[in-house]
Amino acid sequence: AQSVTQPDIHITVSEGASLELRCNYSYGATPYLFWYVQSPGQGLQLLLKYFSGDTLVQGIKGFEAEFKRSQSSFNLRKPSVHWSDAAEYFCAVGPGYGNKLVFGAGTILRVKS
Amino acid sequence: GAVVSQHPSWVICKSGTSVKIECRSLDFQATTMFWYRQFPKQSLMLMATSNEGSKATYEQGVEKDKFLINHASLTLSTLTVTSAHPEDSSFYICSAIAQEGADTQYFGPGTRLTVL
Repeated sequence: AQSVTQPDIHITVSEGASLELRCNYSYGATPYLFWYVQSPGQGLQLLLKYFSGDTLVQGIKGFEAEFKRSQSSFNLRKPSVHWSDAAEYFCAVGPGYGNKLVFGAGTILRVKS
Repeated sequence: GAVVSQHPSWVICKSGTSVKIECRSLDFQATTMFWYRQFPKQSLMLMATSNEGSKATYEQGVEKDKFLINHASLTLSTLTVTSAHPEDSSFYICSAIAQEGADTQYFGPGTRLTVL
């Protein structure tokens, strides 16, 4: 069965510090992988996605993620966190075109000044 | 581009009434729309997949007669919560896939439903 695990429910980092949010997936075929961000009371905004090719993908707002097939991971990173990055982050996996996504439980990021 | 809107953004209703939530793709045609439900501090749970002009496909455990989904056009899908009860209170989010390049879901801002 398809599943996504985000091991960290909450993460707190200082503004300006680096960030890594973990995501592990279980999927039977080549997965399509996504990271979304959700601000309180808002919908989800796509940060980045990976389908194939270069395993290091760049997204919006300075985020990047690296696909590691051997570890079934797709961790999200940012070199320097800004206070406006405080939100909830969801990793998702899907089979590709036109198909439903399976979401992880989410990681809440808090940024302290 | 790829903007999805939802209306209303929040709604409060009495138990036993029905509530309709609209999901619109504003600048693209959406062949497929998805409806999710999100409980507080939890992830999104897919309720159903809606394709324009055909019946929605519901996930296991989702009551079809309670959550009526209509996808009448390429830019509009509606979710009607019938005979709402307090346990239906939740955050409902829709997403849409563009007719072209259907590899990414674009999400609406969500609708907060509170049933008294």
